[in-house]
Amino acid sequence: DAGVTQSPTHLIKTRGQQVTLRCSPKSGHDTVSWYQQALGQGPQFIFQYYEEEERQRGNFPDRFSGHQFPNYSSELNVNALLLGDSALYLCASSPKLLAGVTYEQYFGPGTRLTVT
Amino acid sequence: GESVGLHLPTLSVQEGDNSIINCAYSNSASDYFIWYKQESGKGPQFIIDIRSNMDKRQGQRVTVLLNKTVKHLSLQIAATQPGDSAVYFCAEKESADSGYSTLTFGKGTMLLVSP
Repeated sequence: DAGVTQSPTHLIKTRGQQVTLRCSPKSGHDTVSWYQQALGQGPQFIFQYYEEEERQRGNFPDRFSGHQFPNYSSELNVNALLLGDSALYLCASSPKLLAGVTYEQYFGPGTRLTVT
Repeated sequence: GESVGLHLPTLSVQEGDNSIINCAYSNSASDYFIWYKQESGKGPQFIIDIRSNMDKRQGQRVTVLLNKTVKHLSLQIAATQPGDSAVYFCAEKESADSGYSTLTFGKGTMLLVSP
């Protein structure tokens, strides 16, 4: 049973460019969340997708956008890259939140994005 | 792998000791808390969780304590092993009206276990 997978592992981009990161959720999971983790910090929530729609969004600008596909996989897109976007981008998947059910997210290994 | 522990509070213990990692949370409306372990080059890994209607929960070698009065969470690791060396994060769940909720992570503590 494959866990959460992300691609690519590492990526180097130049300021102003655009980047697309990919995530495949754990088998049986249909909800995908994206997080940004700066060096030495905890992950910060970007947004969450369920049924191909953005359900929740954190405090990130519109340059950050996403998509979820019918097979539950997801993409994170960042436009007009800034140096400050350099971070580890984590994808987490979970079953749909149900009342009374433990909410547990499984994280992928992340994509390390470096903006120069 | 890259380090996630730069500039983090650090707890250094000897193998076999018990470790206690503390976390203060900010949102009194949070109703669910999780401890994650993150090793270098990896994503966070679930350790143990606790709901706000409980004050203690035990797992294998780990115990989480919740004090809602002072908004404090702790993770106790018994008989700490070198493999426990990692960065540990607490996370709180903020309930949302839509029924979908998100996790807010603390800054993390690096645990270093020496043999």
